[in-house]
Amino acid sequence: AQTVTQSQPEMSVQEAETVTLSCTYDTSENNYYLFWYKQPPSRQMILVIRQEAYKQQNATENRFSVNFQKAAKSFSLKISDSQLGDTAMYFCAFMSNSGGSNYKLTFGKGTLLTVNP
Amino acid sequence: DTAVSQTPKYLVTQMGNDKSIKCEQNLGHDTMYWYKQDSKKFLKIMFSYNNKELIINETVPNRFSPKSPDKAHLNLHINSLELGDSAVYFCASGPDMDLPTGELFFGEGSRLTVL
Repeated sequence: AQTVTQSQPEMSVQEAETVTLSCTYDTSENNYYLFWYKQPPSRQMILVIRQEAYKQQNATENRFSVNFQKAAKSFSLKISDSQLGDTAMYFCAFMSNSGGSNYKLTFGKGTLLTVNP
Repeated sequence: DTAVSQTPKYLVTQMGNDKSIKCEQNLGHDTMYWYKQDSKKFLKIMFSYNNKELIINETVPNRFSPKSPDKAHLNLHINSLELGDSAVYFCASGPDMDLPTGELFFGEGSRLTVL
């Protein structure tokens, strides 16, 4: 079974600065997807960024980028130029590529990020 | 238009009661899910259905019974509610379980409080 570990329960950053959230995972599979989801106080689950394991290039979405280290099974999220609206719980998640009963998201326990003015 | 919608958004009830949460998606997806988020914010899958067929049942008590009348709807019925059932329940959908392309689309969650 896959597991996802986020070792930072809480983090804070000053507005306009850069912060990195850590995530490691464990799997025996070679092809899979990794995600970062954001959950603001509104409770909505919002996809921030995704990475296909077969792609070596790190995914980027505007101010959000990942550092994907497949051999180390590490998938960190970097937020540049942090904004107050980035304050949220951030979840790292894993999805197998094998489909069927493995077509599900396995989440880490989350990191609560607070952006301070 | 809301892609994945759940009702009700909030539900407060007494122990021992039976309640249902409804979910509908208008994305044309084949696969739907129920996730439970506990008080520590941990998200765990409960069930998945693909085109009305149960695919995943993650050791959830028998008091929880999902029902999928068609592939656009997945409802969750809970019998004999217990205090530990208090949580936020998220419905989600995904396009094709045999060709997983990634992300799931989530509803806004239903907060259930059992007194």
